[in-house]
Amino acid sequence: AQKVTQAQTEISVVEKEDVTLDCVYETRDTTYYLFWYKQPPSGELVFLIRRNSFDEQNEISGRYSWNFQKSTSSFNFTITASQVVDSAVYFCALSEAGNYGGATNKLIFGTGTLLAVQP
Amino acid sequence: NAGVTQTPKFRILKIGQSMTLQCTQDMNHNYMYWYRQDPGMGLKLIYYSVGAGITDKGEVPNGYNVSRSTTEDFPLRLELAAPSQTSVYFCASSSSGSPGANVLTFGAGSRLTVL
Repeated sequence: AQKVTQAQTEISVVEKEDVTLDCVYETRDTTYYLFWYKQPPSGELVFLIRRNSFDEQNEISGRYSWNFQKSTSSFNFTITASQVVDSAVYFCALSEAGNYGGATNKLIFGTGTLLAVQP
Repeated sequence: NAGVTQTPKFRILKIGQSMTLQCTQDMNHNYMYWYRQDPGMGLKLIYYSVGAGITDKGEVPNGYNVSRSTTEDFPLRLELAAPSQTSVYFCASSSSGSPGANVLTFGAGSRLTVL
């Protein structure tokens, strides 16, 4: 069965601290995609990154970086030098490419991690 | 382009009332989805559609109905509202079923309270 686990319910840091959000996933498929979304207090969902199962290279985008490790089924997200504007709920999600049937682009979400960055 | 538009943004219902959450997209996307987000929880898929006239259940379909008569519209119907349906509802669309080709476009959400 497919599952995404975000064990950290809430994290509180002080501005300029680095913070890592954990994501562990389960899937039967050999081809799948992993995502991170940000949900700020305004409530909309903001797409941050998509990663496919064949690309384990770490990715960096400004203060954001992602570490994908298939050996541990993890796709962790690090914010360097956090800022108050980073305060949000962050969701990790999984979508299977349909090795066992047609792909439908359905997302399976984790329960989210609420990040509070204090000034 | 407006993207994915959901109406209403907020609604309060009494137990047993019915209502329809509207979702419209102007991107000519074939795939559309309804998710619900309960407090402290991730989003769960209610129903999805791979094209006009074709719908299928997601993880939590009970208490809801959908239809897809046009490519643009994917309304979600609550027939007998219950307090357990208090949630934020998100509609999304995608031009294809491949997660490698397309990222879902989400609407702004509709907050529903059932009292």
